[in-house]
This record gives sequence, structure tokens and C-alpha cells, in this order.
Amino acid sequence: AQSVTQLGSHVSVSEGALVLLRCNYSSSVPPYLFWYVQYPNQGLQLLLKYTSAATLVKGINGFEAEFKKSETSFHLTKPSAHMSDAAEYFCAVTRYGGSQGNLIFGKGTKLSVKP
Amino acid sequence: DAGVIQSPRHEVTEMGQEVTLRCKPISGHNSLFWYRQTMMRGLELLIYFNNNVPIDDSGMPEDRFSAKMPNASFSTLKIQPSEPRDSAVYFCASSFDTEITGGYGYTFGSGTRLTVV
Repeated sequence: AQSVTQLGSHVSVSEGALVLLRCNYSSSVPPYLFWYVQYPNQGLQLLLKYTSAATLVKGINGFEAEFKKSETSFHLTKPSAHMSDAAEYFCAVTRYGGSQGNLIFGKGTKLSVKP
Repeated sequence: DAGVIQSPRHEVTEMGQEVTLRCKPISGHNSLFWYRQTMMRGLELLIYFNNNVPIDDSGMPEDRFSAKMPNASFSTLKIQPSEPRDSAVYFCASSFDTEITGGYGYTFGSGTRLTVV
């Protein structure tokens, strides 16, 4: 069975600083991995996804994530935080190939950006 | 495309009343998902449909909850009778999912914020 663990329910950075949101996954088969962002009072939006192609995945708004099989990690990064990045971020996993079925979400990490 | 459309955006109801939440998925998507989000429990999958057929409803909390998808463009989630602990944001999401090309990711609606008093 698949699962994801997001380390840190709340991360605070200064504007212009590096953003690093951590996600570790557990999967008995090669996974598909996703990052979603949720702005206040909105639904979740897909930031980026890993589907077994390049291990470094670039997404919207300058975010990227690197799939590291040896570390079972899929951390999300952005070189320079912007105030508009303040939101909650969710890592998710599903199994590679075949029907997506149940996309398993982490508990979420709330990102705050200080001026 | 207008995206996944949910209605109503907000619903306040009294305990014991029936509540119906509605969802219109993106045209052409063949999978539809209902999630519930609360501070305590985070995002929980309630049920998902593939080609209008319920595939997994193990997340539906009780018999008070029911979901239908009569056609590819409409789904409902019904709670009867409603209780204060059902207060949450309910999200609908849809995706295009095949046995070969899974991994497209979901498109979420804006959610329905349900308050049961």
C-alpha cells in the first residue's frame, strides 16, 4: 500500500528565502507522485507530478521537486519565496501504471512567508 | 473549460436535515472523487467513481452518507440526516484515468463548506 509523510505541518520562511517542503513516500510498486497547492477557501491545484520520466520535475510558479528513489523522497523546493506562495501544500502518491484509483494525500504543510 | 463545478459553495443546515451536494466534472473525465477536509482529519477520500460506477466507497463514514453518479456529467453526495460532526469542506475532483496512462492528476472543484448547527 502507498502512503506519504509530510515532515512539518507548518513552515515559515522570509520572502526571498529558499522554500523546502519535505515529502517521503512508501510504495511497494513504482509510484506516481504529486504536489498540490491549496490557497485559502479554494480547492487543490496541481503544482507538479512525477510519472517515471525525468527525476527532476518542474512545476508552476517556479516550484520543482526531485524524485529520489534511494531516499524515498519527493521534496518540493523553490529558490526564492514570494508572498503569494503562502498556502497549504499537499504531497500525494498513487501507484505507477494502471488505474489511479485512490490518490493518497499527506496531511499537508502550511507555508507562511514573512515580509 | 469551466473546471469542476460544485454547488452550493456554502451550506448551513440544522441537525437532522437532508443535505445534497452537487458536482459537475470536467467534460471527458472518466473518474470522479468526493473528498472531505477537516482540520482534525485532513483530506479524506469518501468515494470514487470510474465511468459512473462506484469503485471504492470504503471512506463513506456511515449509512447516512450516499453518493450517486447518474451520468458522466453529474454527481451528488447526500447526507441524511445531517449531524454537527459532518461540518467540513467537501471537495469533488475529476480526472482522466486509463489503465495505460494513469497519472494525470486530479482537478478539484472549489468545494462546498458545510456547517451543521
